Amino acid sequence: AQSVTQLGSHVSVSEGALVLLRCNYSSSVPPYLFWYVQYPNQGLQLLLKYTSAATLVKGINGFEAEFKKSETSFHLTKPSAHMSDAAEYFCAVSKSGGYQKVTFGTGTKLQVIP
Amino acid sequence: SAVISQKPSRDICQRGTSLTIQCQVDSQVTMMFWYRQQPGQSLTLIATANQGSEATYESGFVIDKFPISRPNLTFSTLTVSNMSPEDSSIYLCSVEVGQGKNQPQHFGDGTRLSIL
Repeated sequence: AQSVTQLGSHVSVSEGALVLLRCNYSSSVPPYLFWYVQYPNQGLQLLLKYTSAATLVKGINGFEAEFKKSETSFHLTKPSAHMSDAAEYFCAVSKSGGYQKVTFGTGTKLQVIP
Repeated sequence: SAVISQKPSRDICQRGTSLTIQCQVDSQVTMMFWYRQQPGQSLTLIATANQGSEATYESGFVIDKFPISRPNLTFSTLTVSNMSPEDSSIYLCSVEVGQGKNQPQHFGDGTRLSIL
């Protein structure tokens, strides 16, 4: 079965600083990986997805993530944090091939300090 | 992407009652998913609903507690039956959008449910 582990339930960064949210996956087959963001009182919004086409994936709002098979990681980064980035971020994984169940990580709350 | 509307957006209910949550999509989709997000926690899949067939429930979730309807390709309902305070959660529906396999899921804004 596939799973994801998000390191750090809370991350604080200063406005303008680098954002790094960590996600490690476990999958017996090549995975599909996703990052979602959840703003207060809203559902989840897709930030980006990895589907084996390219290891560096660019998403919305200036975020990107790099798939590193050797490290089984899919960390989310943004060069410069903005106040509007404060939200909860979820990493998710599914197995490639057909319709597969998506498994979500436990989430990381990002705080941006002015 | 798709526009997914959930109703109600929030509710406060008495224990022992039932509530039906509606999920409407602005395009036809094959699979719809229902999740529960308990306070401060991640998403847990309740069931997958395909049009024209019985919903498939995940371990720990049963049809008697969470009956689901999927009458057409744009609509689904989830009922939370005989509610207790432990059912206080956010309930989210999602759909896969796009051609091909392993398309990402897109979510509604959720229903925030509190049980007194």
